[in-house]
Amino acid sequence: DADVTQTPRNRITKTGKRIMLECSQTKGHDRMYWYRQDPGLGLRLIYYSFDVKDINKGEISDGYSVSRQAQAKFSLSLESAIPNQTALYFCATSDSHTEAFFGQGTRLTVV
Amino acid sequence: AQSVSQHNHHVILSEAASLELGCNYSYGGTVNLFWYVQYPGQHLQLLLKYFSGDPLVKGIKGFEAEFIKSKFSFNLRKPSVQWSDTAEYFCALNSLGGSYIPTFGRGTSLIVHP
Repeated sequence: DADVTQTPRNRITKTGKRIMLECSQTKGHDRMYWYRQDPGLGLRLIYYSFDVKDINKGEISDGYSVSRQAQAKFSLSLESAIPNQTALYFCATSDSHTEAFFGQGTRLTVV
Repeated sequence: AQSVSQHNHHVILSEAASLELGCNYSYGGTVNLFWYVQYPGQHLQLLLKYFSGDPLVKGIKGFEAEFIKSKFSFNLRKPSVQWSDTAEYFCALNSLGGSYIPTFGRGTSLIVHP
């Protein structure tokens, strides 16, 4: 089984719809992250969480919200999806000094 | 604030050619440095990492990287690339000043022709 599991893997949604992307990890790490990948822009941080009670905005948090339901679960929501949120979304987890472990990604298309 | 800059956005090579991808970072304190690879349609995987010690770090699949503190650089190298090395490569760092949150460069797309 994968260390970091994201669902769904692919999603097409309409403008204005609310959508949730889910992430769970079995690494036992406290830190979890949501990144967005766009061609030529690399990975940009949307939100991060150091533990269940600690959630912080990243560089591009507008239009997104998150929920840390448990140490192992961190979900990302788009409250009202818009076309420029079409991207590849990655969840990741790490300890403070280790490398990050990534999920397989969710390819989201907003039409 | 910490940041990572990758100079080469697209690199095209023939098999057996040598590879060097540039990575510079901006942060005045101690950093942990990483190179990740993303094969087509897949997630990011760790190639190698540097925390301390020998500045020449060897990773998987014949890759290596050299940390040069005076140049704030962590360039990735491979003496002879293969078609299967076609992928996107990301340099990343974390640091105490950045709360050890991973920060990524924009990535370099490598295409290796057989």
